[in-house]
Amino acid sequence: IQMTQSPSSLSASLGDRVILTCRASQTISTHLNWYQQKPGKPPKLLIYAASSLQSGVPSRFSGSGSGTDFTLTISSLQPEDFATYFCQQGYSAPTFGGGTKVEI
Amino acid sequence: EVQLVESGGTLIRPGGSLGLSCAASGLTVSNNYMNWVRQAPGQGLEWVSVIYDDGATFYADSVRGRFTISRDNSRNTVYLQMNSLRADDTAVYYCARRLYMTGEPMDIWGKGTTVTVSS
Repeated sequence: IQMTQSPSSLSASLGDRVILTCRASQTISTHLNWYQQKPGKPPKLLIYAASSLQSGVPSRFSGSGSGTDFTLTISSLQPEDFATYFCQQGYSAPTFGGGTKVEI
Repeated sequence: EVQLVESGGTLIRPGGSLGLSCAASGLTVSNNYMNWVRQAPGQGLEWVSVIYDDGATFYADSVRGRFTISRDNSRNTVYLQMNSLRADDTAVYYCARRLYMTGEPMDIWGKGTTVTVSS
């Protein structure tokens, strides 16, 4: 299953509402996870099962979608949110999207 | 504190073999789905392999037949034996736990170990 993220990068300002999208090449129900990665660090799980917030993750992060189309929303961008975000499907052997880099 | 610590990465020539280790603390590898995920320089994430709690193993097409995942329950450690290494195996290799739930998310990651395949 191929995962396509868009855009590949975006520029935003502090306080902005940011919406990242992820599309699966076939239906995956809600078997979709989102990760945040900063340079030189491992990925960090943000959202699992499309819309469930991982423990300890700020509530400004939210996920939605099912089937083939999914979104990750950051309601008010904070300085620590500038990073690259990956989606990953867990319906079959895991595959990741190419990532969206959120820049200032 | 739950922790995964990878080791074994180095510079190795094409065609060579290398073994990576992932030592776990705070969780029992034999009770979990333990994975290897890699990231080539400046690239995205690629799942490599998994060993399930029942011992079943699976691999990405790109490494099947060359890589072998295993574990040592007494050492609470997962291994990745990599043979016939190629330049495109160059990456940071992460060990990660995958949860048995909707989406099977990977919630715990090590810091990674770097493998460079080059002559």
